[in-house]
Amino acid sequence: EPEVTQTPSHQVTQMGQEVILRCVPISNHLYFYWYRQILGQKVEFLVSFYNNEISEKSEIFDDQFSVERPDGSNFTLKIRSTKLEDSAMYFCASSELRAGYTFGSGTRLTVV
Amino acid sequence: GEDVEQSLFLSVREGDSSVINCTYTDSSSTYLYWYKQEPGAGLQLLTYIFSNMDMKQDQRLTVLLNKKDKHLSLRIADTQTGDSAIYFCAETLSGGSYIPTFGRGTSLIVHP
Repeated sequence: EPEVTQTPSHQVTQMGQEVILRCVPISNHLYFYWYRQILGQKVEFLVSFYNNEISEKSEIFDDQFSVERPDGSNFTLKIRSTKLEDSAMYFCASSELRAGYTFGSGTRLTVV
Repeated sequence: GEDVEQSLFLSVREGDSSVINCTYTDSSSTYLYWYKQEPGAGLQLLTYIFSNMDMKQDQRLTVLLNKKDKHLSLRIADTQTGDSAIYFCAETLSGGSYIPTFGRGTSLIVHP
């Protein structure tokens, strides 16, 4: 069964550093998403991406965040200057239509 | 605004039925979802229900929707140890956005 692949599974970074979280969506999917879950809290929507541009974003997705589809297979989330409160599990998802998401297994980001 | 609430933990004995509950605040929900997250894995779509339905059954899973009370439940019959996971309730709203809003997740622990 097709999968959404995320790397790395765990990333530790120092406060103020830039991180890039990587995702390989399912190949025929057109819509891509990033969510995050701070420990013990809800899964929160960050951003959706379609046709090489951001289609929706939440209030969380401020100027320190950016997304990119650098080639035909990868979808990345960049956090420019990490803060302690960015520590969370980050989930990538993709969908063929605007529903029926397939999620990756997540990247646990720890900012120290 | 939309909000989705779930209890955090549920413990059942193997073979018993599990009922996981969810409440939501926005009456314009169109789709309501149940996702399952096993340890180290992504969110897997289990089932969903349209907001104009009261019930949906899929093998051991039964989803009940009470629109008046804005209450959604997931019943798992004959619960097995392999059902131990975190279960997330999510909704999408009418009005164009298909971005689901998630709850915090309910940890289901199944004892032998």
